[in-house]
Amino acid sequence: KAGVTQTPRYLIKTRGQQVTLSCSPISGHRSVSWYQQTPGQGLQFLFEYFSETQRNKGNFPGRFSGRQFSNSRSEMNVSTLELGDSALYLCASSWTGGLNTEAFFGQGTRLTVV
Amino acid sequence: KQEVTQIPAALSVPEGENLVLNCSFTDSAIYNLQWFRQDPGKGLTSLLLIQSSQREQTSGRLNASLDKSSGRSTLYIAASQPGDSATYLCAVRITWNNNDMRFGAGTRLTVKP
Repeated sequence: KAGVTQTPRYLIKTRGQQVTLSCSPISGHRSVSWYQQTPGQGLQFLFEYFSETQRNKGNFPGRFSGRQFSNSRSEMNVSTLELGDSALYLCASSWTGGLNTEAFFGQGTRLTVV
Repeated sequence: KQEVTQIPAALSVPEGENLVLNCSFTDSAIYNLQWFRQDPGKGLTSLLLIQSSQREQTSGRLNASLDKSSGRSTLYIAASQPGDSATYLCAVRITWNNNDMRFGAGTRLTVKP
């Protein structure tokens, strides 16, 4: 069974540009969550999608957005990139996202903003 | 606001030792707790999931306990091996219906041959 797949693995962007990251969850999983990991702040929750609907959102500016498609694949978009957006972006998939389900993470996308 | 703390931040042990990693959280209203392993520059690998009603879970050489009332969890690693070297993260789920989890900063473990 394939795991969580994130593409691309690495990205270098310039300040002011926008970027789109992709996450394909484990087959059958309907919940996809996104996290940002930085050395200073650790892992922080961005948002979660379930059945194409955003169920919850963390404390990030509106420049961070996402969506989920009918096949449960999810994309995350960051507009007007800032240097501080440089981070490892991780997505997690789970069956329902409910309290009895385990979250499985992808390998992440390393975004560098220059 | 839920805060998760992991102690120690770093740990170095010789191969073969048994060791304990600690995780504490400030709000006992959690739905489950999950332990992860992260290798440098990589994603997170799920190790153990403990439901809020459970006291412990075991997988191979790993045993995780949960004391919700005191806000603590421990991850016990038996007979450590160099391949166990990684950062170990604990995360608590703070809502019942989605994957909003609060993570600790992690414990960086080095097992020396």
